[in-house]
Amino acid sequence: DADVTQTPRNRITKTGKRIMLECSQTKGHDRMYWYRQDPGLGLRLIYYSFDVKDINKGEISDGYSVSRQAQAKFSLSLESAIPNQTALYFCATSTPQGPYNEQFFGPGTRLTVL
Amino acid sequence: AQKITQTQPGMFVQEKEAVTLDCTYDTSDQSYGLFWYKQPSSGEMIFLIYQGSYDEQNATEGRYSLNFQKARKSANLVISASQLGDSAMYFCAMSTASSGANNLFFGTGTRLTVIP
Repeated sequence: DADVTQTPRNRITKTGKRIMLECSQTKGHDRMYWYRQDPGLGLRLIYYSFDVKDINKGEISDGYSVSRQAQAKFSLSLESAIPNQTALYFCATSTPQGPYNEQFFGPGTRLTVL
Repeated sequence: AQKITQTQPGMFVQEKEAVTLDCTYDTSDQSYGLFWYKQPSSGEMIFLIYQGSYDEQNATEGRYSLNFQKARKSANLVISASQLGDSAMYFCAMSTASSGANNLFFGTGTRLTVIP
């Protein structure tokens, strides 16, 4: 079984709809992250969480919110989806080792907003 | 500010040959880590190799090695004996102690195509 899972894997929705992407992990890591990937732009950080009570904005948090329901679960919400949020979304986890922050990625969720 | 630059949008290599993918980075931190990830067409992100800023030896993992030149702020990935399965996007990334989050900063990637 995969250590980091994301649901759904693919989603097509319409402008204005509320969407939730879910991430679960069995690695026991405290840190969890949400990234989006756009063609030609690499991955950019949306939100990150160091533990259940610690949630922080990343580089591109506008239009997104998150919830850390438990150590193992980190959800990303688009309150009112817009077409430029069409992207590939990744969840990742890590455990602190100084700056040596290898992150383990989920399989990604491909979101299309029409 | 932290920045990763990958100047090669696409690269081609003959099967069984070696290939170097370029990565330069910019940070004022003395302590940082450099990573390479592979993203096949299926989309997942696969960790390949890591280099710490204080590591004196270049990192190696099987057919992957990282050519770390600290003074030039470069961290190039070398893939030896290329295989067809190496065709993918490759991302260089950096994590710094002062970034607060210890999150990863990614480059824009290089698409490698291995030719039979």
